[in-house]
Amino acid sequence: QKEVEQNSGPLSVPEGAIASLNCTYSDRGSQSFFWYRQYSGKSPELIMFIYSNGDKEDGRFTAQLNKASQYVSLLIRDSQPSDSATYLCAADAGKSTFGDGTTLTVKP
Amino acid sequence: GAVVSQHPSRVICKSGTSVKIECRSLDFQATTMFWYRQFPKQSLMLMATSNEGSKATYEQGVEKDKFLINHASLTLSTLTVTSAHPEDSSFYICSAQDRGHSPLHFGNGTRLTVT
Repeated sequence: QKEVEQNSGPLSVPEGAIASLNCTYSDRGSQSFFWYRQYSGKSPELIMFIYSNGDKEDGRFTAQLNKASQYVSLLIRDSQPSDSATYLCAADAGKSTFGDGTTLTVKP
Repeated sequence: GAVVSQHPSRVICKSGTSVKIECRSLDFQATTMFWYRQFPKQSLMLMATSNEGSKATYEQGVEKDKFLINHASLTLSTLTVTSAHPEDSSFYICSAQDRGHSPLHFGNGTRLTVT
């Protein structure tokens, strides 16, 4: 079992829809959780981080954390074609462990 | 804030030569820096973790004598690919962290092509 697993993609949504990206982690010692976006041929960039159970909103992005279920998610509201990228989930229990990523395509 | 500069962005070298990649945190002190390699359409692969002033910790399967990492200061880490071969051609990315459990800040990556 991988330490961080993301829902297998690719994920395709129409422009304006909500994109839902999911992630589970195995190490209960994980204290912080991150979502990074990686455009093709580029390095990752931080989108959201969350440390406590519940929701955290930043503009069109909402991160959700449920430590009991070891589950992290990222919702992207009003998806835009520019959101098309690979989204990486990471859990930090001393160092960040990344999932394999979910590729999102937003179709105009 | 939290800018990480990585140079060069692209390098082509001949087989057998060595290549050095620099990673600098410009506006914060990086207690820890990480080096990743990524092949096309594959996930990030952590190569090593480095802390300032101490030896790097390499992931299983990564040859420490081939990928030399030096973390000389709180703002600079270097990765040297020694005696590069075509199979070392890849996208190398560094990241830096200012304290434990905090987000990683990534450099723009270095695309290495070995001919």
